[in-house]
Amino acid sequence: GENVEQHPSTLSVQEGDSAVIKCTYSDSASNYFPWYKQELGKGPQLIIDIRSNVGEKKDQRIAVTLNKTAKHFSLHITETQPEDSAVYFCAARGGYGGATNKLIFGTGTLLAVQP
Amino acid sequence: GAGVSQSPSNKVTEKGKDVELRCDPISGHTALYWYRQSLGQGLEFLIYFQGNSAPDKSGLPSDRFSAERTGGSVSTLTIQRTQQEDSAVYLCASSPGPVETQYFGPGTRLLVL
Repeated sequence: GENVEQHPSTLSVQEGDSAVIKCTYSDSASNYFPWYKQELGKGPQLIIDIRSNVGEKKDQRIAVTLNKTAKHFSLHITETQPEDSAVYFCAARGGYGGATNKLIFGTGTLLAVQP
Repeated sequence: GAGVSQSPSNKVTEKGKDVELRCDPISGHTALYWYRQSLGQGLEFLIYFQGNSAPDKSGLPSDRFSAERTGGSVSTLTIQRTQQEDSAVYLCASSPGPVETQYFGPGTRLLVL
């Protein structure tokens, strides 16, 4: 089945710097890759997603890139702010059969933005 | 509009007791998912409901876990004879249809003593 690896597990940056979180997946049939932000005591909130027919997607300070050949995708946050501090999860969804019923998540990255 | 809601927000129980966790999906969403998040871990898929189709139960860790969805809306996750390793955050998500964006609720934090 699908396996998603996420790095780094923790990331500390200065306010205003950029942050990059990387994920790799194992199932080449996976075709949907969302990123979620989870603040303490809350459920995950979708911040951006990308489908396999697109290489890059941007929404203000957040961008996601996808390399299907290498089976990896990355989250880029520019001009980081203290309110960006949270745990970020990447996920992948399979393209066929029962694999389309679920998201497989990475283990999360704790991002700390230092003022 | 209203998002996914879950109750209770926190639950403390004793080992061996049964617990029921409730999820109210976003109105009109036909797909509903349960995930489990253990301390410091990612989310682990448990079960998926889509309309009137048979649920995908492939993620349930043991036969002590079961879930139902009544009337295509509210869902209940039941854990029988709870064990300490069941302690986790149980998250519910819904989506407008299959293979669409999943929206998560705030979760139920379960502690088994």
